[in-house]
Amino acid sequence: AQSVTQPDIHITVSEGASLELRCNYSYGATPYLFWYVQSPGQGLQLLLKYFSGDTLVQGIKGFEAEFKRSQSSFNLRKPSVHWSDAAEYFCAVGARNTDKLIFGTGTRLQVFP
Amino acid sequence: DADVTQTPRNRITKTGKRIMLECSQTKGHDRMYWYRQDPGLGLRLIYYSFDVKDINKGEISDGYSVSRQAQAKFSLSLESAIPNQTALYFCATSIPVGSSEGADTQYFGPGTRLTVL
Repeated sequence: AQSVTQPDIHITVSEGASLELRCNYSYGATPYLFWYVQSPGQGLQLLLKYFSGDTLVQGIKGFEAEFKRSQSSFNLRKPSVHWSDAAEYFCAVGARNTDKLIFGTGTRLQVFP
Repeated sequence: DADVTQTPRNRITKTGKRIMLECSQTKGHDRMYWYRQDPGLGLRLIYYSFDVKDINKGEISDGYSVSRQAQAKFSLSLESAIPNQTALYFCATSIPVGSSEGADTQYFGPGTRLTVL
């Protein structure tokens, strides 16, 4: 069965610092992988996605993620965090041809000035 | 992005009441989903629909029902609300089959915050 683990419930960083949010998945084949962001009081917005090809994926708002098959990971990164990045971040995995996503429990990012 | 709308945005109701949450989309997507979000649990799938005649249970469908009135409308009902159904509910859509974007990219509405007293 598919599963997604986001080991960090809450992360705090200073504005301008680099960021890495961890995501590990369990799936028997190559999955679809997603990162979504949820700002306070808002719905989820797609940051980036991996389907195939280049394992380093660029997304919106300066985010990127790298698919590492050997580690079953899809960590999200940003070189310099802005105060507006404070939000909750969800990693999700989808099995090909099923059209359902399994979400992680989320990582809440707090940014200090 | 107002392509996926949910009504109401907030609702307070009492135990035992019937309540309906509505979702409409203008994206022309075939597939629609209902999730609930609880702190520390992420999003969990309640029901999903691949077209008007195809409705499927998700992982936590007990206590809920749905209706796909048209391609653009997907409603979630709580026949007899209970306090542990207090949560944030999201509707989502995904792209049509065969789209060049690839499957499984889901687009979310703004959510409905439901409180059951």
